[in-house]
Amino acid sequence: GDSVTQMEGPVTLSEEAFLTINCTYTATGYPSLFWYVQYPGEGLQLLLKATKADDKGSNKGFEATYRKETTSFHLEKGSVQVSDSAVYFCALPAYNQGGKLIFGQGTELSVKP
Amino acid sequence: EAGVTQFPSHSVIEKGQTVTLRCDPISGHDNLYWYRRVMGKEIKFLLHFVKESKQDESGMPNNRFLAERTGGTYSTLKVQPAELEDSGVYFCASSLTGQETQYFGPGTRLLVL
Repeated sequence: GDSVTQMEGPVTLSEEAFLTINCTYTATGYPSLFWYVQYPGEGLQLLLKATKADDKGSNKGFEATYRKETTSFHLEKGSVQVSDSAVYFCALPAYNQGGKLIFGQGTELSVKP
Repeated sequence: EAGVTQFPSHSVIEKGQTVTLRCDPISGHDNLYWYRRVMGKEIKFLLHFVKESKQDESGMPNNRFLAERTGGTYSTLKVQPAELEDSGVYFCASSLTGQETQYFGPGTRLLVL
C-alpha cells in the first residue's frame, strides 16, 4: 500500500542553519505530495505542495521538489529561524480512496537562537 | 472565513468513561475527515464523511468509536468506553469536493488515565 517515510527527529539547529528533512514515499500512480506543519499549540497547516513530477512547491522560504526517480519530496530551507520550530509532516493522498491522507511520522524541528 | 474548529481543545478522562469530540468544518465543505496521532507517531486516518454519509471508516480502531455527522454539518466522534491507548491528538479536516487540499483544525488532545 501507499506509505510515507520521514527522517526521524528531533532535529535541533542553530538560527540561520540550512535545513533538510527527508521524505520518501511509495505510491500507486503519481499523487500530489504535501508538507504540513504544526506550530506549538496550533493545528496542522498546509506548508506547500507539488502536484506532479519535477514540480517545486515553495512557501515561507521552504522548498520541496517532487522527485519521481527517487520517490522523494525532501523539505529544505536555506536559513531557519526560531519561528520555524514546529513539527513537519510529509503526506500524500491514498490512491483512489476518497482523498484520505497518508502521513509520515513527523519530524520535530527546534531552532535555537 | 472561519477555519475548522474543534472542541474541546483538551480532555482528560479516566479509563471507562465516555468522551465526545466535536468538529465544525469550513462552511460548504462536504468532505470531513477524522485523523489521530498517538504518542508522537504518524497521523493516521480514522474516517471520511461526504456530507452526512460515511464514505470510508476503514481506519476506525474498533467499535468503541462512533462518528456521526447529522445534517452534513458538524461531526462528533464519541469514544465509549475510553481506554488508555486512545490517548492522543484527534484532528479533524475538511475539504471541498474535487479539491485535494484538506484544512485541519487545531486538534483535541485526549488523555485517558
